[in-house]
Amino acid sequence: EPEVTQTPSHQVTQMGQEVILRCVPISNHLYFYWYRQILGQKVEFLVSFYNNEISEKSEIFDDQFSVERPDGSNFTLKIRSTKLEDSAMYFCASITTPVAHEAFFGQGTRLTVV
Amino acid sequence: SQQGEEDPQALSIQEGENATMNCSYKTSINNLQWYRQNSGRGLVHLILIRSNEREKHSGRLRVTLDTSKKSSSLLITASRAADTASYFCATDAGTSGSRLTFGEGTQLTVNP
Repeated sequence: EPEVTQTPSHQVTQMGQEVILRCVPISNHLYFYWYRQILGQKVEFLVSFYNNEISEKSEIFDDQFSVERPDGSNFTLKIRSTKLEDSAMYFCASITTPVAHEAFFGQGTRLTVV
Repeated sequence: SQQGEEDPQALSIQEGENATMNCSYKTSINNLQWYRQNSGRGLVHLILIRSNEREKHSGRLRVTLDTSKKSSSLLITASRAADTASYFCATDAGTSGSRLTFGEGTQLTVNP
């Protein structure tokens, strides 16, 4: 069964460093998302991406965050200057078409900022 | 505004018993979905119910939706130890590719 894959599964970084989280969505999917989950809290939407541009972003997704789909398969989330409070699980998700609503999630990247 | 608040926060039952989890939301929705998350893992889609539906079944899962009360329930019948996980409801506004807004989740523990 097709699945969304994320790498790395765990990333430890120093505060102030840049990190790039990578995702390979399911190949025929058109909408891509990043969500995050701080330990013990609910899953929060960060950004959605469609047709090679951001379609929606939350208030969390400030200037230190960026997304891109550089090669038609990978979908990346970059955090330019990490803060301690960026420590969380980051999930990538994708859906097939604009009207489909069942999202397929990756296993997540656990980001630890020290 | 908060959306998708689940109760109870934690539920512990014996294998074979039924588990009922509830979710409330505050704004208008197009769909409501339930997801499962095993500890530290990704989210797995369980079932979607549209705003014009009242009840839906999938295997041992039964979901109800009451749009007048802005609430939904997830019933897992004949629970198994493998059902131990966190369960989240998530709503979307219905526009193309719109975000999912998740609730706080219910941690279900099924004791063998």
